[in-house]
Amino acid sequence: QSVLTQSPSLSGAPGQRVTISCTGSTSNIGAGYDVHWYQQLPGTAPKLLIYGNDNRPSGVPVRFSGSKSGTSASLAISGLQAEDEADYYCQSYDSSLSGYVFGPGTKVTVL
Amino acid sequence: VQLVESGGGLVKPGGSLRLSCAASGFSFSNTWMSWVRQAPGKGLEWVGRVKSKSDGGTTDYAAPVKGRFSISRDDSKNTLYLQINSLKTEDTAVYYCATVAGKFGYWGQGTLVTVSS
Repeated sequence: QSVLTQSPSLSGAPGQRVTISCTGSTSNIGAGYDVHWYQQLPGTAPKLLIYGNDNRPSGVPVRFSGSKSGTSASLAISGLQAEDEADYYCQSYDSSLSGYVFGPGTKVTVL
Repeated sequence: VQLVESGGGLVKPGGSLRLSCAASGFSFSNTWMSWVRQAPGKGLEWVGRVKSKSDGGTTDYAAPVKGRFSISRDDSKNTLYLQINSLKTEDTAVYYCATVAGKFGYWGQGTLVTVSS
């Protein structure tokens, strides 16, 4: 059972904006630990998509954005494209577990 | 940056395995390193972490693997290791090594460990 929760799946048409939420608690996101997001395309290793809540690594398209508030965080994809079809994971640190934690992942389908 | 894992394979329950992760393209000795695993069709699970020697070189592990898994590093070879003992069927997964600094910045391609009789 993940300490971070995410919706299992969502879908959108090309060009739409979709938002993935990640809910934690006062021992992880709410404690001030950063949230990071990863994209995992089918059959490949995860790739860092957003770090430090709202920062994009070099090369990540600007249509990906992140935010954090309280015990939750969100990843938004503006202008959904076919190549965005993937699994998305949020990640933080949990002080109660003394370790890194991942959300269960959200599968994004482009209709 | 390149991370290349090796050492995976088919192992019987109760067996042991040592995974390796060869690193290049960055200052390995100054980088905290981690292992993350992914069971077939499942999500990502943090396994453990080793700090750089300059930060103490200590290790931390997730509760499910504590006492059975051991992470070590050889900075002279730019290589990270994961020793897995007393393997269980639920340890079947792709094991990734990754750089860690709060976030998992760079990932290897993973190596598959299958535990089955």
